[in-house]
Amino acid sequence: DAGITQSPRHKVTETGTPVTLRCHQTENHRYMYWYRQDPGHGLRLIHYSYGVKDTDKGEVSDGYSVSRSKTEDFLLTLESATSSQTSVYFCAISDPGLKRNTEAFFGQGTRLTVV
Amino acid sequence: TQLLEQSPQFLSIQEGENLTVYCNSSSVFSSLQWYRQEPGEGPVLLVTVVTGGEVKKLKRLTFQFGDARKDSSLHITAAQPGDTGLYLCAGWTGTASKLTFGTGTRLQVTL
Repeated sequence: DAGITQSPRHKVTETGTPVTLRCHQTENHRYMYWYRQDPGHGLRLIHYSYGVKDTDKGEVSDGYSVSRSKTEDFLLTLESATSSQTSVYFCAISDPGLKRNTEAFFGQGTRLTVV
Repeated sequence: TQLLEQSPQFLSIQEGENLTVYCNSSSVFSSLQWYRQEPGEGPVLLVTVVTGGEVKKLKRLTFQFGDARKDSSLHITAAQPGDTGLYLCAGWTGTASKLTFGTGTRLQVTL
């Protein structure tokens, strides 16, 4: 299994509070991704990073920010959590280069509930 | 609006039946992948198709990439309970830097 650790695995928080989820990898992969998973939507990309301090938005980035100060860590922050951000969050890593058959490896997910 | 739409969304079949899952888009992808996800776990890669018209077989699973590289299908022959799970197609865009997932197909195979 790829070395990806997400923390925490479960969290319940109140509306309006800030929340930070952490993704840590030991594979030295260049790319890291944050997705959220909701029924009927598959996985939707929130933000991704293509290197230290290099990040870009995905399709559902509103209300989220990210930071990557080291290759191995990618943080996802909900500045002021809302109930619509209740979801399961997955971190993924890859090292695509120019290869078209690159595999993405996933963490085990963080279940976040905003009450 | 998601780039990749999968159908059907849910599928419940009995052991031994055949099924096909479709993944469609109006966009062209450099490659398409199929992942399978089990409860409480992250998705795991099953296959990557790269060339338009390509067909790949993995035991009882057959994957096809459309000629125009906008769609793909997954066919399972003689489904087994172990095939139960969430099947996700995904496409690489942006010079293979961004992986976009489909809406998912949840498959339940019963005895």
